[in-house]
Amino acid sequence: DADVTQTPRNRITKTGKRIMLECSQTKGHDRMYWYRQDPGLGLRLIYYSFDVKDINKGEISDGYSVSRQAQAKFSLSLESAIPNQTALYFCATSDYQTIRSDTQYFGPGTRLTVL
Amino acid sequence: QQQVKQSPQSLIVQKGGISIINCAYENTAFDYFPWYQQFPGKGPALLIAIRPDVSEKKEGRFTISFNKSAKQFSLHIMDSQPGDSATYFCAASIGGGATNKLIFGTGTLLAVQP
Repeated sequence: DADVTQTPRNRITKTGKRIMLECSQTKGHDRMYWYRQDPGLGLRLIYYSFDVKDINKGEISDGYSVSRQAQAKFSLSLESAIPNQTALYFCATSDYQTIRSDTQYFGPGTRLTVL
Repeated sequence: QQQVKQSPQSLIVQKGGISIINCAYENTAFDYFPWYQQFPGKGPALLIAIRPDVSEKKEGRFTISFNKSAKQFSLHIMDSQPGDSATYFCAASIGGGATNKLIFGTGTLLAVQP
């Protein structure tokens, strides 16, 4: 969905490096999420945010941190990347404040490789 | 108890056939069950969703069948087309929009052969 953008789209980094993945949305949604996708494991929730002042851990938050800089921006950081963090990362948004929607809208993903 | 088990892992169907993907869950507090469709190089997108107060929901060629007592739900794609070739994820959440915390299945890679 073009309304949810992720940068970079692809990133190769080395073990121990700090890396930030960024997500921006123009949908005006209040809620934002970070997931990682691994083959055979589906999508797993890393962190989620219901508004700028609300950040919550998901199923697999260890090794990750997030920042909600504004309603439209939600960044995911890997403080010291390790090879098992190699995965496809997705940002998603939903609109609960306005229309109480359950639908999540996903960005195009960031393919991260940690060597 | 938070898991959603999805099968099969992959599925090959002939054009015009019926594709069936199954999911099972344990947590009876789940009250919202969506299916997401993901094409290569794209993010998942909502396809269809159901709540446990109904046993079936149909949107075009896509139908969700829901069996509350068995704690199972399935996606049926009628008259499958090559354009349906994608990865399909079932999911479940508690409290629907109140939490929006989706627990996803492991995905099914569907290939529809022409």
